[in-house]
Amino acid sequence: EAQVTQNPRYLITVTGKKLTVTCSQNMNHEYMSWYRQDPGLGLRQIYYSMNVEVTDKGDVPEGYKVSRKEKRNFPLILESPSPNQTSLYFCASSLSAAGYEQYFGPGTRLTVT
Amino acid sequence: DQQVKQNSPSLSVQEGRISILNCDYTNSMFDYFLWYKKYPAEGPTFLISISSIKDKNEDGRFTVFLNKSAKHLSLHIVPSQPGDSAVYFCAASDGGQNFVFGPGTRLSVLP
Repeated sequence: EAQVTQNPRYLITVTGKKLTVTCSQNMNHEYMSWYRQDPGLGLRQIYYSMNVEVTDKGDVPEGYKVSRKEKRNFPLILESPSPNQTSLYFCASSLSAAGYEQYFGPGTRLTVT
Repeated sequence: DQQVKQNSPSLSVQEGRISILNCDYTNSMFDYFLWYKKYPAEGPTFLISISSIKDKNEDGRFTVFLNKSAKHLSLHIVPSQPGDSAVYFCAASDGGQNFVFGPGTRLSVLP
């Protein structure tokens, strides 16, 4: 089954404790992206990757890091989480960027206290 | 300032009637537009898209209309069904790698 998986689905952590949210897709997609969803703001793009070893900032990259060492994986790293990073996070992938719909993972709800 | 706006946070429609969801954008460089549907506790799923070279795209009960001069697009669902109750996001791209999403409209289809 074609899918995007994220782990963990739920995470409660404390300020400053490094964490990684994993994202994996099995569709051989070149393009992957991370979003955060906040009430009234919709989905905002954090980082995206056009292919292996190619990443770039989206609209809200501050406080986040990503890596793309393999085509299927695109982890999101919070080196020192803060309460304003409490949000619902979605990973997405698509065949390419322009002109293709994205497939989204189920989401990771992160709470930073 | 939001580049993609969905000014109606919520919409209620009777089953069988037409649902019209609206989206406005400010960036004239946007040339590809998509609608996604999102159920609670799930990720968004793609619904329908339209390129700026078209003014209409239809897929079954779903039709998207694009008015470039007004920087406005709308999603029509006919007939509406209770299973259509979800949050709908409008998204836009300038043909590059960036996607900008609107804040979403919660559609409730009443039986």
